[in-house]
This record gives sequence, C-alpha cells and structure tokens, in this order.
Amino acid sequence: EAGVVQSPRYKIIEKKQPVAFWCNPISGHNTLYWYLQNLGQGPELLIRYENEEAVDDSQLPKDRFSAERLKGVDSTLKIQPAELGDSAVYLCASSLGGLAGVRDTQYFGPGTRLTVL
Amino acid sequence: AQKVTQAQTEISVVEKEDVTLDCVYETRDTTYYLFWYKQPPSGELVFLIRRNSFDEQNEISGRYSWNFQKSTSSFNFTITASQVVDSAVYFCALSGETGANNLFFGTGTRLTVIP
Repeated sequence: EAGVVQSPRYKIIEKKQPVAFWCNPISGHNTLYWYLQNLGQGPELLIRYENEEAVDDSQLPKDRFSAERLKGVDSTLKIQPAELGDSAVYLCASSLGGLAGVRDTQYFGPGTRLTVL
Repeated sequence: AQKVTQAQTEISVVEKEDVTLDCVYETRDTTYYLFWYKQPPSGELVFLIRRNSFDEQNEISGRYSWNFQKSTSSFNFTITASQVVDSAVYFCALSGETGANNLFFGTGTRLTVIP
C-alpha cells in the first residue's frame, strides 16, 4: 500500500516569492493534516481537513498561508509571499478519521524542506 | 492543555547498548492516546506505537519496549541492543479529547548509535 506522497521534496526560493506544496494521502484516509516542523522541534499542526472541510485551521497564518482540498483527496498548501522565517519542513499526514476519534493514528509523508533566501 | 516533554535532547550510545528515551505528558483528559514516532535522516515520521490511557500493560516488539505509567505520567521507550539503524530523532506525542483529537508532539530526542 502506498504511503503519503508529497512533492516537491526540496524547494529553494527567494523571499516574497510564492510556493506551493502538494500532498496525496493514503487511499481511504478521510483526514488530512499539514504540519510545520522547525529545526530541532516537533511538528506543529497548521490545518486539519475532514474530507474537504477544514475543521481546524486555528494555527494557519492566514495572511500568507492558504490550503485547499477540493475533492477530499489530495491537498495543496500555499505560501504567498514567502518570508525568511518560513524556512522549515512542511509535513503532510493522513488518518482514517471518522469515528476513530482520539485513537486515530496519523501516517506521515516525507515532507518538503523549504529554504527561503 | 496538552503537553509532552522530552527532556533528553540528544543521546549517544555505543552499538549493542540498551537505551531508554523518556517522555512525560500533561493532560486533563481521562481518555487519551500516546504515540511514539521515529524520524530518520530521510525526514519521514514513522509510526511506532499507540497506547491508550486505560491500558498500562507494557509492550514489547522485537528490540523495542514501552513502559507506560499513569502514576508518573510517563511513557518511556527502550531500545535493547541498539543498532546503527536506530539512529534517528524520536518523538513522543499525545492525542486527547480536549485537544480536538489533534497530536501534540514533544521536541524529540536525537539518538546516535555509534558503531
């Protein structure tokens, strides 16, 4: 079974440029997550989708970040414009969702390492 | 509020030594789950184990074992006879109802196994 797929794996851009990351979750997983991981830190949730609905985006900096999951499968996270402080790893994860509740196990993709110059 | 503390930032051991990674958590939930993930240099977080708050039985999987103690709010992870391939960053995480079932991660412990 294929895992969570993310692309690109690495991205280098100059500040003020836009950037987008793509994620395809595990087949059958209804819940999709985007995380930000700074160097030496644990992942922090940016946004969570249940199917196509964003159910928790409280930590998403909405002035420059946006996300979509139009058909409830793959998702795109965008930053426009990027700032130096956005340099980090952006992780996507998926889980079954639904009635799984607190026991729902998240499976992660390899991440996209963003460097903003 | 949900909180996970991994006080050990970095640990180095010589191959074949045993090593224990500590995890202490805080939650007001009665129903919650604890997780351990491994993050090798490739960057992908690999799920290792999930444990619910009502099951304090220790678990063993090959060279890995986990000790869950509610009395001390700890969920420690032991690797027996460590190998070079165990070198990675290990994260402990917590999921509970008051956190909207989201995962809260500790800051991770970097384990280096020296051949």
